[in-house]
Amino acid sequence: GQQLNQSPQSMFIQEGEDVSMNCTSSSIFNTWLWYKQDPGEGPVLLIALYKAGELTSNGRLTAQFGITRKDSFLNISASIPSDVGIYFCAGPSRDTDKLIFGTGTRLQVFP
Amino acid sequence: EPEVTQTPSHQVTQMGQEVILRCVPISNHLYFYWYRQILGQKVEFLVSFYNNEISEKSEIFDDQFSVERPDGSNFTLKIRSTKLEDSAMYFCASNTGGHEDTQYFGPGTRLTVL
Repeated sequence: GQQLNQSPQSMFIQEGEDVSMNCTSSSIFNTWLWYKQDPGEGPVLLIALYKAGELTSNGRLTAQFGITRKDSFLNISASIPSDVGIYFCAGPSRDTDKLIFGTGTRLQVFP
Repeated sequence: EPEVTQTPSHQVTQMGQEVILRCVPISNHLYFYWYRQILGQKVEFLVSFYNNEISEKSEIFDDQFSVERPDGSNFTLKIRSTKLEDSAMYFCASNTGGHEDTQYFGPGTRLTVL
């Protein structure tokens, strides 16, 4: 079945540093979504990408939809302590409306 | 801003007991979903629901599970006879247009089966 793999699995960075994380798939996705999950909370949508090659920003966050439609990256610039959490990429399964989630990247930010 | 709400936030139950998890989707949304996240793992799809019927379900969603929209606002997930391995966070989500339309998630219910 369709799977999304994220890297790195976890990151430990200093406040103020920039962060980059990846999501890859062996199959094509027509939409890429990036969610953030705080501990004990539900996923919150950060950025949605709908077209191959699309580059979209949301404040300090920037995400790109890969040209091949098999990958996406998320960048966070000038990280702050509240960026701590798990970042998931997700995409709708082919021909259905269920979302497939990636394996997640856990981000820790140290002051 | 409208949001998906879920109750209770935490449910503790004995193995074999029935539980009902409740969700109030965003009011103008037409598609409803349940997902599950076992501690430390990724979010997994359970079931989708549209027009008062299940449109898709995963292999996790066996005969112990059922969903219902009993009125115009609530969307429930029932687990008939809970097992230890049902312990997880359960998230409800909703959207307006189904496939490729952004799904908005509730805060989740943590289910602990003892």
